[in-house]
Amino acid sequence: AQSVTQPDIHITVSEGASLELRCNYSYGATPYLFWYVQSPGQGLQLLLKYFSGDTLVQGIKGFEAEFKRSQSSFNLRKPSVHWSDAAEYFCAVGYNAGNMLTFGGGTRLMVKP
Amino acid sequence: SAVISQKPSRDICQRGTSLTIQCQVDSQVTMMFWYRQQPGQSLTLIATANQGSEATYESGFVIDKFPISRPNLTFSTLTVSNMSPEDSSIYLCSVTPDFGGTQYFGPGTRLLVL
Repeated sequence: AQSVTQPDIHITVSEGASLELRCNYSYGATPYLFWYVQSPGQGLQLLLKYFSGDTLVQGIKGFEAEFKRSQSSFNLRKPSVHWSDAAEYFCAVGYNAGNMLTFGGGTRLMVKP
Repeated sequence: SAVISQKPSRDICQRGTSLTIQCQVDSQVTMMFWYRQQPGQSLTLIATANQGSEATYESGFVIDKFPISRPNLTFSTLTVSNMSPEDSSIYLCSVTPDFGGTQYFGPGTRLLVL
């Protein structure tokens, strides 16, 4: 069965600092990979996705992620964090483009002024 | 993309009662999913609800507790039956457009059971 691990439960960064959120997955084939963000009291918003092709994908709000097959990772990055980025971030894996997703445990990002 | 609405957005219910959550999509979609997010936790898939067939439940979830209807391609309901405080969660529906690709989520229904 596929699984998704987000090793960092909480991360605190200063506004303007760079950010990297880690995501590792366990799955036999090349997965479909997603990052979602959930602001307090809100639903999930898609930040970016990887299906195939270029392993560095760009998303909304200045986020990017890199798929590394050799490391089974799909880490999310942002060069300069804004206070509005404080939220919960979820990495998710699917075994085809439209089917059920398996979610990681989430990483709560706090941003210091 | 798909625009999804859920009703109610939140509710407080007494134990032993049932609540039906509605999910409405602005376009026709074949695949619809229901997830549960317990307090401080990640999302867990409850079931897949495809129009024209019975819902498929994940391990740990049963139809008697979480009956699902999918009467057409734009609408579904999830009922949380005989509720207990352990059912206090956010319930989210999601869809994948028929051309494939991304799964889109509704805003969620925040349920508190007393």
